Amino acid sequence: DIQMTQSPSSLSASVGDRVTITCRASQGIRNDLGWYQQKPGKAPKRLIYAASSLESGVPSRFSGSGSGTEFTLTISSLQPEDFATYYCLQHSTYPYTFGQGTKLEIK
Amino acid sequence: EVQVLESGGGLVQPGGSLRLSCAASGFTFSSYVMSWVRQAPGKGLEWVSVIRDGPTTAYYAGSVKGRFTVSRDNSKNTLYLQMNSLRAEDTAVYYCTKGGWLDSWGQGTLVTVSS
Repeated sequence: DIQMTQSPSSLSASVGDRVTITCRASQGIRNDLGWYQQKPGKAPKRLIYAASSLESGVPSRFSGSGSGTEFTLTISSLQPEDFATYYCLQHSTYPYTFGQGTKLEIK
Repeated sequence: EVQVLESGGGLVQPGGSLRLSCAASGFTFSSYVMSWVRQAPGKGLEWVSVIRDGPTTAYYAGSVKGRFTVSRDNSKNTLYLQMNSLRAEDTAVYYCTKGGWLDSWGQGTLVTVSS
C-alpha cells in the first residue's frame, strides 16, 4: 500500500498568514492527488484535484503543487473560514490512502 | 446538481450485519466509479471500497476485505455496502463518494457497533 505522510499534524496561524501543508508519498503517484477540507460535523470538500487544479468555486488563495512523491497545499492569506482540517488523498493505486490530516487552528 | 445521499446506518451488535445505501442524482450514475470512505469518531479519513462503472469490479481496504461487499444497481442509481461480521473498530461515519477522484461526497451515515 502507498503511505501518505502529511505534515504538520497541527498548525496554529493567524488571519492573513501564508501556510503550507505537505504530503509525501511512499512511492511515485504522478499527479494523482487531491486535497480536501473538512469542518467539524461536515463532509470533506475537495479543494484541489490532479495535484494543482483548483476545484470550481474554491477561492484562488488555495493552491496545490507537486508531482511524484512530494506535494504541497498553500493558503496564501488565511481567512477565518479556512480554519479546518485538511487531508491529502492519493488515487493512483488501490487501496487509495489519505494523509493523517492537518488541523489548522487560530493563533 | 450532483447529490449523493447515504442511509442505513444505526446501532448493531458485534458480529452483526448492516447494509448501507447511497442514492445518487444529478449525474449519469452508471458511468461513474463510486467509493465508500469512513471516519471513526475523532479520527481521520479511511478509504473503504470502490466499485467500477461495471458492476462486478471492486476493490477493498485490507481492514474490511472478506467482510464487506460493495455493489450497485444502475437501474436505481443506488450504491450499496453490505457489512458483515462487524467489529467495534468499524464504528464510523460512512461516506459515499462519486468518481474515481472522489469529487463529491454525501453527508454520511453513522454506524455504531456496540453491545
